[in-house]
Amino acid sequence: QVQLQESGPGLVKPSETLSLTCSVSGDSISSYYWSWIRQPPGKGLEWIGYIYYTGSTNYNPSLKSRVTISLDTSKKHVSLKLRSVTAADTAVYYCARVRMGGHDHWGQGTLVTVSS
Amino acid sequence: QSGLTQPSSVSGAQGQRVTISCTGSSSNIGAGYDVHWYQLLPGAAPKLLIYANSDRPSGVPDRFSGSKSGTSASLAISGLQAEDEADYYCQSFDSRLSGYVFGTGTKVTVL
Repeated sequence: QVQLQESGPGLVKPSETLSLTCSVSGDSISSYYWSWIRQPPGKGLEWIGYIYYTGSTNYNPSLKSRVTISLDTSKKHVSLKLRSVTAADTAVYYCARVRMGGHDHWGQGTLVTVSS
Repeated sequence: QSGLTQPSSVSGAQGQRVTISCTGSSSNIGAGYDVHWYQLLPGAAPKLLIYANSDRPSGVPDRFSGSKSGTSASLAISGLQAEDEADYYCQSFDSRLSGYVFGTGTKVTVL
């Protein structure tokens, strides 16, 4: 059974870079797309972007200028970097596996607060 | 418009049937892209309930069913149970964004 676990700092200062890692276990990282999704407090889900195991990426246009998603197949890690964060980037961040256009496995999510 | 619209809340008594609508546009649901549904419970990983419009992953009770028509989709929950009280989101792909879009989310309350 595939399992995903997000990790990273829970507090980031404004204007700095948010960095998170998603560790994948129980299945290969290959042959799948991997998404990052976030949910600000009291709001809905927002797709941030995805990466294919080949390294090709696609980002939400609203975040594209600040986002980089990468992967390390040897470590089975999918990483997210979001630059120049503001309070509006405070959210629970999820990683998820994409299969047939849907997200079939998700991590528990990690809350990242942007505050000085 | 690239987003998907859902009612903010629906409610029903235990044992009743409720439906949640998901309204899109010609660039997402209307373009033929599949709709998927998720259940979010506090403190738990989001769960895929319905994929490809109407298919259920193994382990999801058949009380949950999905359908799609035109630019809209629906999730139905029959025989509503207390543990179904949660937030539900639809999701599709949007050709204008060239990416995934989620619905606005619906809170289901069991009376």
